[in-house]
Amino acid sequence: DSGVTQTPKHLITATGQRVTLRCSPRSGDLSVYWYQQSLDQGLQFLIQYYNGEERAKGNILERFSAQQFPDLHSELNLSSLELGDSALYFCASSARDRVDTQYFGPGTRLTVL
Amino acid sequence: GESVGLHLPTLSVQEGDNSIINCAYSNSASDYFIWYKQESGKGPQFIIDIRSNMDKRQGQRVTVLLNKTVKHLSLQIAATQPGDSAVYFCAVLRRDTGNQFYFGTGTSLTVIP
Repeated sequence: DSGVTQTPKHLITATGQRVTLRCSPRSGDLSVYWYQQSLDQGLQFLIQYYNGEERAKGNILERFSAQQFPDLHSELNLSSLELGDSALYFCASSARDRVDTQYFGPGTRLTVL
Repeated sequence: GESVGLHLPTLSVQEGDNSIINCAYSNSASDYFIWYKQESGKGPQFIIDIRSNMDKRQGQRVTVLLNKTVKHLSLQIAATQPGDSAVYFCAVLRRDTGNQFYFGTGTSLTVIP
């Protein structure tokens, strides 16, 4: 157990809908990262937050947004969902702003029908 | 960008044998490397890391070798056990792209009892 929690574990929804994925980092970690893992593809970095502020952006679509709250948990919002958004979404946390060892949560499997 | 690839998508080894999983990266600006293990239905789990100022690092039953000349990284697992069956992938950090990790697609290791 990495200490990073994610909810829900599974999510099934329809095209055009909006969902929110939640992540709680390890105790004491200030940085949260979101990744997308599609079938047969490597992890794709989406976005990083550090202590409530956006720090880095990767291949995140404009339909997706995220935020980190004062208690350091983070939410990833996915809107106008398309079939291609079906994937595993992972959250990871690390202690500091500087990227080093990241600890991953168990992921949320999103299925868009 | 950065291209990170693993040489074999699948690898089968006999229990007790040594396993070697390879990863190639494209950019010489990469300076930090991590190997992750991902079991079915779980998030990636940190195994071992290495910085670019080193060419070898050993952990418990695992060794990572870094060859910066040919931009190649390998993970060696000694005395492979059934519990080692998982997908293994490397993550490459490029400081010149804002501390963003690039991930390989993974090698699926199957240990035959």
